[in-house]
Formats: sequence, C-alpha cells, structure tokens
Amino acid sequence: SQQGEEDPQALSIQEGENATMNCSYKTSINNLQWYRQNSGRGLVHLILIRSNEREKHSGRLRVTLDTSKKSSSLLITASRAADTASYFCATDSNYQLIWGAGTKLIIKP
Amino acid sequence: GAGVSQSPSNKVTEKGKDVELRCDPISGHTALYWYRQSLGQGLEFLIYFQGNSAPDKSGLPSDRFSAERTGGSVSTLTIQRTQQEDSAVYLCASNTLASNEQFFGPGTRLTVL
Repeated sequence: SQQGEEDPQALSIQEGENATMNCSYKTSINNLQWYRQNSGRGLVHLILIRSNEREKHSGRLRVTLDTSKKSSSLLITASRAADTASYFCATDSNYQLIWGAGTKLIIKP
Repeated sequence: GAGVSQSPSNKVTEKGKDVELRCDPISGHTALYWYRQSLGQGLEFLIYFQGNSAPDKSGLPSDRFSAERTGGSVSTLTIQRTQQEDSAVYLCASNTLASNEQFFGPGTRLTVL
C-alpha cells in the first residue's frame, strides 16, 4: 500500500519559476526521502530529511518536514527544463521505503 | 563505478508464459529490493533481501511471483504463468545497511500480450 501522497498530481510552470510539491504520510517515520524519475536517468535520489530535522537544502532544492502534520514539501527554485520529471516522496519505516504516486512536473521554456 | 543493472531492459511475452528478470546490485550492497511500477503510478514494494535472505515477501502479489538471491549479489524475480495485469516496469534497488538511500537500476519493462 502507498503511504505517501503527493500533491499536486501534476504541475506545469515556466522556466525560472519556483516549483513546490507536497507530500503527506500516515504513520511515524525515521526519515523521508525525495526522488526524481525521468526517462533519461531513471529513478534518482535527491535528498533525505530525518524525522528530527525541519528543513534541509541541497543546491536549488529545499525540503521541509513537519512531523506534527505528517507532511513534507519540496521546493525547486529557479526551475530549468531539465527539472521536468516525476517527483516522489518515500517514507522510511524500518528497512522499507513506502512511496507516493508522485507529482509530474513540466517546465515550459 | 558501476550502478545497479537489470536485464532484460524490455520483455514482451505471451500470457501464460514464465519470465525471469535479473538484477545485479552495486557491489557490496547487502540489501536488495524489488518494486513494480505501473504506468503513471508510484512504486509498489514486492520483496526485500538482506544478504540471501528475504525477511519480507509481503509485497509479492500472488504465488506466481517468486524471487531469489544467491551469493549475496544477483537476484532473480520469476513470474510464472504471466497475466496481462503483470505488465509494468519492474525496478530493482540496492543499498547498504548504513544508508537509507536506495540506488535504482533502469528497470525491466514487461509487457504481457
């Protein structure tokens, strides 16, 4: 079963704009990860945030985690055409990752 | 270095036939995972190996699905008597006990006619 739910399901923005995607989950977690999937590079890990962290940055990526609301957000700043992909959150409970259905992000030139 | 590899990349088969999908994890990665992804969907967990043992087979959809791992390395996912609903991309991932990040292979796209 899928625990994470991303919203929106699809997002289309102009190149240069910021993109924000959200993820909600149901049970307690050890950490939450964001992955990107596109046809060129497959499924790639982007960033991991631990349950005791509230915010994390990596380049143009900013992830927040609110464990009280069981939600996370991924912000991509200054979007580029190469950011076009599906983005998934995955929650870690023990050894297993449980995945949401993803947000499809399209960056228009 | 070499990443996770999977073969074949594409497999088209007739309903009722058996298929074998192979995953070669990153060398030294003790944990190996199989997932299934239907078009436009997220990943569905199938099975997890720690070394050669599979402590969690709960994700396997039916007894037509089985998997094994030998030598703590290569894993094979076997689907017997394939059905059309088995059509999906089958992804393999591996990692070490020290890291939660999973490294994915390119997947095998299975089409059952």
